Amino acid sequence: DAKTTQPPSMDCAEGRAANLPCNHSTISGNEYVYWYRQIHSQGPQYIIHGLKNNETNEMASLIITEDRKSSTLILPHATLRDTAVYYCIVRDGYSGGSNYKLTFGKGTLLTVNP
Amino acid sequence: SAVISQKPSRDICQRGTSLTIQCQVDSQVTMMFWYRQQPGQSLTLIATANQGSEATYESGFVIDKFPISRPNLTFSTLTVSNMSPEDSSIYLCSVETGGYTDTQYFGPGTRLTVL
Repeated sequence: DAKTTQPPSMDCAEGRAANLPCNHSTISGNEYVYWYRQIHSQGPQYIIHGLKNNETNEMASLIITEDRKSSTLILPHATLRDTAVYYCIVRDGYSGGSNYKLTFGKGTLLTVNP
Repeated sequence: SAVISQKPSRDICQRGTSLTIQCQVDSQVTMMFWYRQQPGQSLTLIATANQGSEATYESGFVIDKFPISRPNLTFSTLTVSNMSPEDSSIYLCSVETGGYTDTQYFGPGTRLTVL
């Protein structure tokens, strides 16, 4: 079973920031938080991942709480093309870890409206 | 990252037949994975395929139904055998790349419809 909890759906206005929450209260010390998205049955697209520090790349920012029990993915200026299912996944950062597999939950359907 | 291609992109097959899906990566990778996504559902891992060893199957998936080959570090195949309509799904391969941590990247998927 997925070790994360996400809202099933969210709406966002185009041009606004989209903030997608994820709860992972049972995360262990060596597990990372990964975010992927899937646009209309295409292959999932990697977005970002982090351990405990906040991370930013060209796609998004990842904010992880100090206790690591929750995180937020931020799309700073959402566009219509960001409409997708967003998956938050916790797993070991290395394939040699005991929990290296990606376990997909149901994710959050983000709809960006014009 | 890695560039991953899959063939075919989609197919329509008759029940009782088999289909082999190919996954090609543009760089050498140790670990490859095969997933299934049934209509309206999330992704489910079928098996992990490491080069030079037998594939490791997840609970509910067996080698006779989903045989996998991994002949080298850039290529893998998944065969869906003796198909039934319940096998209609999107089949995706993914690869693990190193870096400061491992990250999985996914192919575009193969959409299979079984009549």
